Amino acid sequence: KNEVEQSPQNLTAQEGEFITINCSYSVGISALHWLQQHPGGGIVSLFMLSSGKKKHGRLIATINIQEKHSSLHITASHPRDSAVYICAAVNNNDMRFGAGTRLTVKP
Amino acid sequence: DTGVSQDPRHKITKRGQNVTFRCDPISEHNRLYWYRQTLGQGPEFLTYFQNEAQLEKSRLLSDRFSAERPKGSFSTLEIQRTEQGDSAMYLCASSVLQGFSGANVLTFGAGSRLTVL
Repeated sequence: KNEVEQSPQNLTAQEGEFITINCSYSVGISALHWLQQHPGGGIVSLFMLSSGKKKHGRLIATINIQEKHSSLHITASHPRDSAVYICAAVNNNDMRFGAGTRLTVKP
Repeated sequence: DTGVSQDPRHKITKRGQNVTFRCDPISEHNRLYWYRQTLGQGPEFLTYFQNEAQLEKSRLLSDRFSAERPKGSFSTLEIQRTEQGDSAMYLCASSVLQGFSGANVLTFGAGSRLTVL
């Protein structure tokens, strides 16, 4: 069992839909990253969370430390949101990545 | 083949020394990427290879850094004359193009953590 599990593995949505991607981890963490990977391979860090909730534009990330669970939400999804979303659990000097969620938003 | 392997996992060196990291990608993956990540930050792209050809290099990759993938399989990342600012996690990932979409899904290695004293 991976230390960081993401679900779903693949997600297809219609433009405008509300998207939720989940991440559960079994390790102790100091922070959790949500990363976006574009088709060209570049990775963009979306959020780093250690508690509560963060919002940036149409993106919202939440984390529940007690339940060891984080979610990434996308409101009013758009085809340009199509990418792979990766959560990564950080513990001091170590990082564990989830396998990623491939999101496809259709117009 | 269980995934992307990186070696060593941890390296501590003195400033000015050279270090080399190795990455063994998933065997059928023709693309190989190197990323650098400092604590609290997301990974930053360094360079990538398609087979043995190095197709893109980031501005982060100064002339002290060199990466090779001589046979299109494993890759090495060498840092010469290390500086304290080089301390970071160096991540390798591999991928293969996925069908018509051309999208890559990267498989990451566990990373090689470099500490420069």
